[in-house]
Amino acid sequence: QKEVEQNSGPLSVPEGAIASLNCTYSDRGSQSFFWYRQYSGKSPELIMSIYSNGDKEDGRFTAQLNKASQYVSLLIRDSQPSDSATYLCAGPNSGGSNYKLTFGKGTLLTVNP
Amino acid sequence: DTGVSQNPRHKITKRGQNVTFRCDPISEHNRLYWYRQTLGQGPEFLTYFQNEAQLEKSRLLSDRFSAERPKGSFSTLEIQRTEQGDSAMYLCASSSLFEQYFGPGTRLTVT
Repeated sequence: QKEVEQNSGPLSVPEGAIASLNCTYSDRGSQSFFWYRQYSGKSPELIMSIYSNGDKEDGRFTAQLNKASQYVSLLIRDSQPSDSATYLCAGPNSGGSNYKLTFGKGTLLTVNP
Repeated sequence: DTGVSQNPRHKITKRGQNVTFRCDPISEHNRLYWYRQTLGQGPEFLTYFQNEAQLEKSRLLSDRFSAERPKGSFSTLEIQRTEQGDSAMYLCASSSLFEQYFGPGTRLTVT
């Protein structure tokens, strides 16, 4: 069973702080990972994708992938109350056409004003 | 540009009834996926279409579930003889390659 696991949370940070969300995965062949944000009662929204080792930055978000350690993280700088949501890590199964995603259970982030 | 759309947004049905959900993907996307999400869990893969071909079905998709994507456009997911355990959010996503974009979901409640 190929798994994606996220740190348990919930995570609470003050406004303006850095929020760090982490994810580990079991499938060594996975080549890409995705971070989704899900507000309560809404569907997941894709916020970051990362395909290679290292860091990828997009505005206040930085995704980090370490294939040797099978670890992926999302950093949110200058956290805002509007960032309060559940963050889902997802990775495709290796082999084949890399299409279906396996999701972690999510980490609930609360940013306190 | 319209994103992925799903209808209905909410469905309440009695146990034993059949229900059908519709998904309209982003127009240029040839890949379409169905997932199911229950409270406190991430989405779980149900099935995948590339164009009109259904290429994979999860073991979660019992014989009461069927999905179609005629002509490679919209897709339908039917659940026959619904059970209370079918209560969940049913999510549709589409992609051209790897990045999947979700619709708003259909929340099913089986009473």
